[in-house]
Amino acid sequence: QKEVEQDPGPLSVPEGAIVSLNCTYSNSAFQYFMWYRQYSRKGPELLMYTYSSGNKEDGRFTAQVDKSSKYISLFIRDSQPSDSATYLCAMGDTDKLIFGTGTRLQVFP
Amino acid sequence: KAGVTQTPRYLIKTRGQQVTLSCSPISGHRSVSWYQQTPGQGLQFLFEYFSETQRNKGNFPGRFSGRQFSNSRSEMNVSTLELGDSALYLCASSLGSTAASSTDTQYFGPGTRLTVL
Repeated sequence: QKEVEQDPGPLSVPEGAIVSLNCTYSNSAFQYFMWYRQYSRKGPELLMYTYSSGNKEDGRFTAQVDKSSKYISLFIRDSQPSDSATYLCAMGDTDKLIFGTGTRLQVFP
Repeated sequence: KAGVTQTPRYLIKTRGQQVTLSCSPISGHRSVSWYQQTPGQGLQFLFEYFSETQRNKGNFPGRFSGRQFSNSRSEMNVSTLELGDSALYLCASSLGSTAASSTDTQYFGPGTRLTVL
């Protein structure tokens, strides 16, 4: 069993939709949770970073962490075609950082 | 401030050959991490260098090696290439205040796409 599981998608939604991206993990020692966005032919860029259970909001993006269920989510409100990318979750402790395989998102006009 | 640069961007090699990839971190960043990205396995950690020393290592065979120079630039080498080494190799730099980049924000380069025939 992988330490981090992420649905690969692809996920295709119309512009303006609310998008929900999810990851589950098995290692209860994970303390840090991140979401990266990766455009085609580019490296990943950090979108959200949190280390506690609960919600963290940044503009149209909300990261949610539920440590009791070992489940993290990224919500994108009012999705735009420019949000079309692969989204990677990442989590770790003081020794390592593990990435999910990524979910490909396409937002069509 | 210039971002992380990686050279070359694309590379085609044949089985058994070796390859060297280069990474220049953001100015002032002392930590460089290398990752292999494939569709099936996602982003997998290879190793991290800080102040010219390998500080962390992933679960890859010894054919994968790296080094870091005094100016923080880093190279990774893969010897005796196998078909399964075809991947996007990403380099990420960070300030390096903590190990394994678990709390340090990492800034990724565009990657080197390696194809092994």
